[in-house]
Amino acid sequence: QVQLVQSGAEVKKPGASVKISCKASGYTFSNFPIQWVRQAPGQRLEWMGWINGGNDNTKSSERFQGRVTITKDTSASTVYMELSSLGVEDTAIYYCARQSDLVFDSWGQGTLVTVSS
Amino acid sequence: EIVLTQSPGTLSLSPGERATLSCRASQSVRSTDLAWYQQKPGQAPRLLIYRASSRATGIPDRFSGSGSGTDFTLTISRLEPEDFALYYCQQYGGSPPWTFGQGTKVEIK
Repeated sequence: QVQLVQSGAEVKKPGASVKISCKASGYTFSNFPIQWVRQAPGQRLEWMGWINGGNDNTKSSERFQGRVTITKDTSASTVYMELSSLGVEDTAIYYCARQSDLVFDSWGQGTLVTVSS
Repeated sequence: EIVLTQSPGTLSLSPGERATLSCRASQSVRSTDLAWYQQKPGQAPRLLIYRASSRATGIPDRFSGSGSGTDFTLTISRLEPEDFALYYCQQYGGSPPWTFGQGTKVEIK
């Protein structure tokens, strides 16, 4: 079955960067894009960006003003999302999700990122 | 950016009752581009409905979706204990950003 397994929780100081991994299994990795979505405490889900599983096409939300970098290692079926210049407002649970027929049909378990001085 | 507004914020119902959740878009959304997700505490969202009315794999038929244009509805015909959760709508049409509603919490009355 489709599984997305994310790396563990992180605690970072303001101004630092965080890099989260998302390892996919149970399907052909190159056939599906991977999306990143975050959920800050008490806030709605927020789309961050995506990467195409079959090529290097990627796009991130303008809301993050270039702070988001999404990459992948196809040989390891793993996608990475790096968020730089962290602020306390970036404290959130970060999810990766597989996109199939445009919908996000399978999700990782989430990675809690806490930004605190 | 399309803004999705869900109502009500909280729905207090008893098991066996019918739940009707609303999602209104700030501009027209193609019916093929609207999804609903369920989220329980400490868990990731789970896809329930896509293309406004198609149930995802394994989703019971007590869940149904409808709507078009700017107004969409998720209906749970008879609430089971496991259905008490948060529900989000999402639009995924055209170019990103793809957006989510703020959520409706279905709680036990």
